[in-house]
Amino acid sequence: QLTQSPSSLSASVRDRVTITCRASQGINSRLAWYQQKPGKVPKLLIYDGSTVQNGVPSRFSGSGSGTDFTLTISSLQPEDFATYYCQQLNTYPITFGQGTRLEIK
Amino acid sequence: QVLLVQSGAEVKRPGASVRVSCKASGYTFGDHYIQWVRQAPGQGLEWMGVINPLGGRPSYAQKFQGRVTMTSDTSTSTIYMEMRSLTSEDTAVYFCARLPGIYAFDVWGQGTMVTVSS
Repeated sequence: QLTQSPSSLSASVRDRVTITCRASQGINSRLAWYQQKPGKVPKLLIYDGSTVQNGVPSRFSGSGSGTDFTLTISSLQPEDFATYYCQQLNTYPITFGQGTRLEIK
Repeated sequence: QVLLVQSGAEVKRPGASVRVSCKASGYTFGDHYIQWVRQAPGQGLEWMGVINPLGGRPSYAQKFQGRVTMTSDTSTSTIYMEMRSLTSEDTAVYFCARLPGIYAFDVWGQGTMVTVSS
């Protein structure tokens, strides 16, 4: 089970934002982060806990190990307002966090 | 270019079945497992199951055991997901996604909207 927090967040352009994801047991850093905009397909941002997917801006970073992980956006841009999901792939069933909706303040 | 192209939107009556296809291109079909994920309106992502395109027994989320069947056609590089005994709670967008050699879904289909309504 994955618990993501907060469920929603209001922030301003150029803010630094952190989203957390906690697993109920260790997941060997087999954790990914996705961004999803309304009506769009989820986009992979981070895999293996901290590896940034090709083409993803460097302001996105991931960290953590064991059961606790974070997604950080160092300086929010207008196009970053979206919903973010964490996902564990350590064991089946694969599970997603409930999502964090990032809104403009 | 790696692509997963899904079949079009479906409208079904309660109790009916639906089959959604996912055609892969731009890579060796058998190299990567395909997953299915769904998203009900305004809700989060829900993993449904996984299939090895080259065969073997698919693995399904417990919630879908006995009601969902995933199959593969290597001759057309297409994966199918069939769901039976549909209810209004199955109204959702259904996605296929590729699981490559990393722990993540790197390529997703465009999604197929399935609406269950009487």
